[in-house]
Amino acid sequence: QKEVEQNSGPLSVPEGAIASLNCTYSDRGSQSFFWYRQYSGKSPELIMFIYSNGDKEDGRFTAQLNKASQYVSLLIRDSQPSDSATYLCAVMTGTASKLTFGTGTRLQVTL
Amino acid sequence: SAVISQKPSRDICQRGTSLTIQCQVDSQVTMMFWYRQQPGQSLTLIATANQGSEATYESGFVIDKFPISRPNLTFSTLTVSNMSPEDSSIYLCSVEEGEPGQGAGELFFGEGSRLTVL
Repeated sequence: QKEVEQNSGPLSVPEGAIASLNCTYSDRGSQSFFWYRQYSGKSPELIMFIYSNGDKEDGRFTAQLNKASQYVSLLIRDSQPSDSATYLCAVMTGTASKLTFGTGTRLQVTL
Repeated sequence: SAVISQKPSRDICQRGTSLTIQCQVDSQVTMMFWYRQQPGQSLTLIATANQGSEATYESGFVIDKFPISRPNLTFSTLTVSNMSPEDSSIYLCSVEEGEPGQGAGELFFGEGSRLTVL
């Protein structure tokens, strides 16, 4: 079983719609959860992090964490073509500051 | 966030040679890491670069293949030794901001070094 799992996609949503990206993780001791956006040929860019159960909102982005279900998601409201990228879920376990990444979900926002 | 500069940004290398990648940060950081992203894959942690001591390597990575230096809190190098085509990858330097080692840090990445081994 992979430590961090994501659907590779592509996930296609029309412009203006809500994109929902999902991630599950295997280590119940995981403490911190991150979403990175990676454009083709570029390095990952941190867009959200969440530590506590529930929702965290930042502009058009909402991260949702459910530790009991070992599930973290990212919602993107009013999706724009510029949101088209690969979204990487990353999980930090322990205090060593090391991240385990999922394989990413490719999002395509269509006009 | 810290500005992280890597060089070279890309290179084409011959089998059997070695290449050193440099990572320069514009501020002092405690935690610095080296990741690899193979074509079509996600990121895999190679090692934690420790200032003034030997790097801490992850399972599957060894010092002879990936020697790392960290002479101060703003600079690190990763060498990919005796390269083979399987080493063709993007190598990324990352630093942690926020409280180091407290599980609350946010990692930021350099632009990466894309290596192609022929």
